[in-house]
Amino acid sequence: DTAVSQTPKYLVTQMGNDKSIKCEQNLGHDTMYWYKQDSKKFLKIMFSYNNKELIINETVPNRFSPKSPDKAHLNLHINSLELGDSAVYFCASSRGLDGETQYFGPGTRLLVL
Amino acid sequence: GNSVTQMEGPVTLSEEAFLTINCTYTATGYPSLFWYVQYPGEGLQLLLKATKADDKGSNKGFEATYRKETTSFHLEKGSVQVSDSAVYFCALSENTGNQFYFGTGTSLTVIP
Repeated sequence: DTAVSQTPKYLVTQMGNDKSIKCEQNLGHDTMYWYKQDSKKFLKIMFSYNNKELIINETVPNRFSPKSPDKAHLNLHINSLELGDSAVYFCASSRGLDGETQYFGPGTRLLVL
Repeated sequence: GNSVTQMEGPVTLSEEAFLTINCTYTATGYPSLFWYVQYPGEGLQLLLKATKADDKGSNKGFEATYRKETTSFHLEKGSVQVSDSAVYFCALSENTGNQFYFGTGTSLTVIP
């Protein structure tokens, strides 16, 4: 019954590898997001999709590419992983635009060695 | 532009102490204001929200009042418990867009 789920929960990989993180929401929401949280707990929005269309694309290296196959899924693919990519990545969703509450997934803890 | 400024932590309190975490904001329009809580090892979850001036959000003994005149949304709880130990994030969202602006988070530890 998890509202927003992410896989995997933990990801340990070598520098230079390519990896993907998957996100699914079963809330029927139209809007989904990816956030990066660093070791100091600072949250930074990376991307936002509304009805499968990209709405927000913050200053993120183009090694990061989101893909939304349908409204319920927003996956994050990362090419050529770097040490600085180590962080916790959170997926979130909201019913729509305009100040709606966001619901967060449990996070994916990425460690790049 | 929009921004949220939160009281820096970490904050350590004894059980049953009074809690205040300050939050002020800058916004170009009429935002909704939120407090999210992140327990260790988990994602963020909504604690409370307020959508217009003078609204008070409340949940689990926590309260925050949307004060437009002071552009503030301070979080308070009269008597904290050990289980309240977490990181608290203040956030705003403009009602004309879907971007959230989060504060830097305030870590709270409650000791028995």
